[in-house]
Amino acid sequence: GAVVSQHPSWVICKSGTSVKIECRSLDFQATTMFWYRQFPKQSLMLMATSNEGSKATYEQGVEKDKFLINHASLTLSTLTVTSAHPEDSSFYICSARDVGLAGDNEQFFGPGTRLTVL
Amino acid sequence: GENVEQHPSTLSVQEGDSAVIKCTYSDSASNYFPWYKQELGKRPQLIIDIRSNVGEKKDQRIAVTLNKTAKHFSLHITETQPEDSAVYFCAAPPPGFQKLVFGTGTRLLVSP
Repeated sequence: GAVVSQHPSWVICKSGTSVKIECRSLDFQATTMFWYRQFPKQSLMLMATSNEGSKATYEQGVEKDKFLINHASLTLSTLTVTSAHPEDSSFYICSARDVGLAGDNEQFFGPGTRLTVL
Repeated sequence: GENVEQHPSTLSVQEGDSAVIKCTYSDSASNYFPWYKQELGKRPQLIIDIRSNVGEKKDQRIAVTLNKTAKHFSLHITETQPEDSAVYFCAAPPPGFQKLVFGTGTRLLVSP
C-alpha cells in the first residue's frame, strides 16, 4: 500500500517551453501533496504544499507563477514548470499524505522526475 | 521556523561496523522525526521514524534515539553491510505544519 507514482520519470525540453509533471497516489487518497526539488548532491528542498481543492502554499523564494501547481482531485497533483530554463534542470519529487491517517506526518514519496532543460 | 542540522556529511565505515548519524532540530514542539534512505537517482525511502512520546525505537539493525531535552535524534545502524551505502536524511515537521524540513544529508559508504 501507500504507492505514489510520477510521470514522466524523465523529460528533456528546450529552453522556454513548459513541462507538466504528474503525481498520483495509487491506493490511497491524499488531501495534501508536496513538491520537492533536489539538485545533485543536495538535500530535498520543499517547493510547495499542494492542497486538494485550494491554492498551493509556496515556500519562500519559489515563484508561484513559474511553478504552477494544481491539485484537482484526491489522487492527482500536477506541477507545471513554465518557460523552463537550464537552471530549472533538477530532480523533482512529490510526496503525499494519506487522508485516512489523520494526524500522521508520514509522507510517501514518488519516484521522481528528472528534468533537463537544454 | 524549524531548522534541522545533520552531521556528519559523509561517513565511511568498514562492513560490520556501526554507523551513527545525528540531527538537531530547533523547535522543541516538533513531534515526529523520520529517517529516509535515498539511493542514487531513487526516491527517499522511510527506514524508521520516532515520535516525541518515546525515546528509542528499534527495527532489526536500525535504531533511532530521541533526546527531547537536547533537541536531537540519532540514527544507529549496526552490523553495516555494503547495501547500506546510500544518502540518509533526517527530517522534522515545523509544529502546526504538515510539511517536513529535511537535514542536509549524510553520505554513508560501507566498504567490504
